Amino acid sequence: GQQLNQSPQSMFIQEGEDVSMNCTSSSIFNTWLWYKQDPGEGPVLLIALYKAGELTSNGRLTAQFGITRKDSFLNISASIPSDVGIYFCAGRPSYNTDKLIFGTGTRLQVFP
Amino acid sequence: EPEVTQTPSHQVTQMGQEVILRCVPISNHLYFYWYRQILGQKVEFLVSFYNNEISEKSEIFDDQFSVERPDGSNFTLKIRSTKLEDSAMYFCASKPTGMGTGELFFGEGSRLTVL
Repeated sequence: GQQLNQSPQSMFIQEGEDVSMNCTSSSIFNTWLWYKQDPGEGPVLLIALYKAGELTSNGRLTAQFGITRKDSFLNISASIPSDVGIYFCAGRPSYNTDKLIFGTGTRLQVFP
Repeated sequence: EPEVTQTPSHQVTQMGQEVILRCVPISNHLYFYWYRQILGQKVEFLVSFYNNEISEKSEIFDDQFSVERPDGSNFTLKIRSTKLEDSAMYFCASKPTGMGTGELFFGEGSRLTVL
């Protein structure tokens, strides 16, 4: 089946640093979504991308929908302690499905 | 801000028992979903539901699973005879718009532990 490979698996950074993570697939996706999950809670939507090449920001977060439609990245600028959590990319493989395929997650730890 | 609510937050059950997980989606949403997350793993799609019927289901969603919208507000997931490997966090989600569009809003999850 379709898979999303997310990297890195985990990151340990200092507060104030910028962070970059990405998601790749061998197949095309029509929608890319980035979610954050805190321990014991559900995923919370950060950014949604609907067109190839689209670059969207949400505060300190910026995400892009790759031109090939097979990848997406998420950048976090000037990280703060509350950025700690697991970040998941998720893709919708076609317009004929509502199923989201989730990536394997990037665990972010921010040290003060 | 409207949110998806789920009950119970944690359920412990014996293998072979039936379990019902409940969800109240956001009130003006029309599309409903169940996903699950085994501890430490990624979130996996189980089933989507619209207009009182299943739209799509994954291979995980076998005959032991069923979904129902018994009234105008609740959306339930039933596992008929639980197995050890059903232990996971189960997330309900909803969205207002149609197939292939829009963003899913997730509940906080129901943790199921099967002993």
